[in-house]
Amino acid sequence: GDSVTQMEGPVTLSEEAFLTINCTYTATGYPSLFWYVQYPGEGLQLLLKATKADDKGSNKGFEATYRKETTSFHLEKGSVQVSDSAVYFCALIYMNRDDKIIFGKGTRLHILP
Amino acid sequence: DTEVTQTPKHLVMGMTNKKSLKCEQHMGHRAMYWYKQKAKKPPELMFVYSYEKLSINESVPSRFSPECPNSSLLNLHLHALQPEDSALYLCASSPGGYLNTGELFFGEGSRLTVL
Repeated sequence: GDSVTQMEGPVTLSEEAFLTINCTYTATGYPSLFWYVQYPGEGLQLLLKATKADDKGSNKGFEATYRKETTSFHLEKGSVQVSDSAVYFCALIYMNRDDKIIFGKGTRLHILP
Repeated sequence: DTEVTQTPKHLVMGMTNKKSLKCEQHMGHRAMYWYKQKAKKPPELMFVYSYEKLSINESVPSRFSPECPNSSLLNLHLHALQPEDSALYLCASSPGGYLNTGELFFGEGSRLTVL
C-alpha cells in the first residue's frame, strides 16, 4: 500500500542554520504531496504542496520539490528562525478519490536562539 | 473568515459522562472531518462528512457519534469513553467535497481527558 516515511526527529538546529527534513513516499499511482506544520498547541496547517512531478511548492521561505525518480519530497529552508519550531508532517493525497490522506509520522523541529 | 473554530479547547470527563465537541466553519466548505491525535503521532481520521452526509467512518467505536446539523457545523458526541480515548480531537474542513483540493483547514483542537 501507499506510505510516507519521514526522518526521525527531533531535529535541533541553531537559528539561521540550513534545514532539510527528508520525506520519501511509496505510491501506486500519481499522488499530490503536501507538507503540513503543527505549531505548539495548535492544529495542523498547510505549509506547501506539489501536485505533479517536478513541481516545486514554496511558502514562508520553505521549499520542496516533487521528485518522482527518487520518490521524495524533502522540505528545505535556507535560514531557520526560532518561530519555525514545530512538528512537520509530510502527506500524500490522491485528489478526487475516496482515499485517506496518508501522513508521515511527523518530525519535531527545535530551533535554538 | 478563514477559521475553523472548535469548542471547548479542553474537556475533562468521567467514563460515565456524556459530552459533545463542537466545530464550526464559515468558509463555505462542503466537507468536514474529525481526526484524533495522540501525543507525538500524526492525526488519525475518524469521520468525514461530505455535503452533510456521512461518507467515511473509519470503524470508530460507537461511543463516538458524529453529527452534521448543517454545512457549517460538526459535532462529536461522546458517551461512555475510556481513558485510552484521551487525545487531541481535531476538526478540519475542505473546499468542495471530500479531498477535492487536498487541502485541509484544521481547527486548534479540543484536548480531551477521560478519567
